[in-house]
Amino acid sequence: GAGVSQTPSNKVTEKGKYVELRCDPISGHTALYWYRQSLGQGPEFLIYFQGTGAADDSGLPNDRFFAVRPEGSVSTLKIQRTERGDSAVYLCASSLGRGANYNEQFFGPGTRLTVL
Amino acid sequence: DQQVKQNSPSLSVQEGRISILNCDYTNSMFDYFLWYKKYPAEGPTFLISISSIKDKNEDGRFTVFLNKSAKHLSLHIVPSQPGDSAVYFCAARRSNTGKLIFGQGTTLQVKP
Repeated sequence: GAGVSQTPSNKVTEKGKYVELRCDPISGHTALYWYRQSLGQGPEFLIYFQGTGAADDSGLPNDRFFAVRPEGSVSTLKIQRTERGDSAVYLCASSLGRGANYNEQFFGPGTRLTVL
Repeated sequence: DQQVKQNSPSLSVQEGRISILNCDYTNSMFDYFLWYKKYPAEGPTFLISISSIKDKNEDGRFTVFLNKSAKHLSLHIVPSQPGDSAVYFCAARRSNTGKLIFGQGTTLQVKP
């Protein structure tokens, strides 16, 4: 079946602009996660959803970052007033339910965001 | 505050030999430890996990060992194959949360 898809695959924007990154999870996966990965580092947790609600948003770096998942499927990560330090690969993942299912998260290929 | 650390940025081994990737953690509250593999231009892929109540978990060529007293885990790949060449991330989480804390990664190169 189809895996996790993310659009766009690449996004170049100017400092101060607003961007939206989209994630389509695997059908039936109730949990959805956002991470970002900078060069030479591991993925850094941002937020995860259980259904429509944010179960943990402790990784969002500041109030310029916001994510939604209004119908419990597709999610959008929104970044306002982008800064050069926001440049990274933004990874989305999804998984089944809870408990041990949290271990196996299925990742998309990521969106590479470049802020000039 | 790096709670999960992989101190070796890279490792090179000969095909057929054993690969040992190491990971250290600082938070004794972690309940699960995981290994993910990543190829270029792809997202990470889950490889194997271990619960904090166990000290070993094996899946085919992959075995993860956990030493809780040392706050250390390792991934053994035997025998190593060229297709295993990738970046390997160690990760950890607490029970009842999907939040994964990742290490910096180790690039494994398996030479034919």
